[in-house]
Amino acid sequence: QKEVEQDPGPLSVPEGAIVSLNCTYSNSAFQYFMWYRQYSRKGPELLMYTYSSGNKEDGRFTAQVDKSSKYISLFIRDSQPSDSATYLCASPRKAGGTSYGKLTFGQGTILTVHP
Amino acid sequence: DAGITQSPRHKVTETGTPVTLRCHQTENHRYMYWYRQDPGHGLRLIHYSYGVKDTDKGEVSDGYSVSRSKTEDFLLTLESATSSQTSVYFCAISELRTQSGNGYTFGSGTRLTVV
Repeated sequence: QKEVEQDPGPLSVPEGAIVSLNCTYSNSAFQYFMWYRQYSRKGPELLMYTYSSGNKEDGRFTAQVDKSSKYISLFIRDSQPSDSATYLCASPRKAGGTSYGKLTFGQGTILTVHP
Repeated sequence: DAGITQSPRHKVTETGTPVTLRCHQTENHRYMYWYRQDPGHGLRLIHYSYGVKDTDKGEVSDGYSVSRSKTEDFLLTLESATSSQTSVYFCAISELRTQSGNGYTFGSGTRLTVV
């Protein structure tokens, strides 16, 4: 079982829709969670970064962590065609007391927003 | 991507040949990483470096070696390329300030095909 699981989709929505992207994780030691956005043929870029449980909002994007159920979500409000990309969740892996920044990624969800 | 360059961007090579991919950064970040991205697997860590001449294996290191003789360069070598190493390879850099694993900056990737 992968430590971070993500439904690869693909997910297709009309412009203006609310999008919900989700991941589950199995390692209780995970405390920090990130969402990356990756456009076609580009490297991933950091979108959101959260610690522990709760919500974090940045413009049209909201990241949510529920540690009790080991569930991570990214919500996109008023989705735009420019949001079409692959979205990856990630968390630092810990080994020997330090993670050295090593990240465990989900498989990524391909999102298409239609005009 | 600003501050991080991967070369080559595309490469086709024959089975059994050695291949070296280069990652060059101008950010003076301590931590550098090589990931591969494959459909259904997301990003998986191959090797990482936490300083000059300090490297360690990731989760999919078999068949790969790395070297870091200068802060700015991190080389990934496929010792004898196989078709299973056909993938998109991403280099990433990070300057950790906490154990949280702050976000990476990724390069644009190298698309490698082994025939």
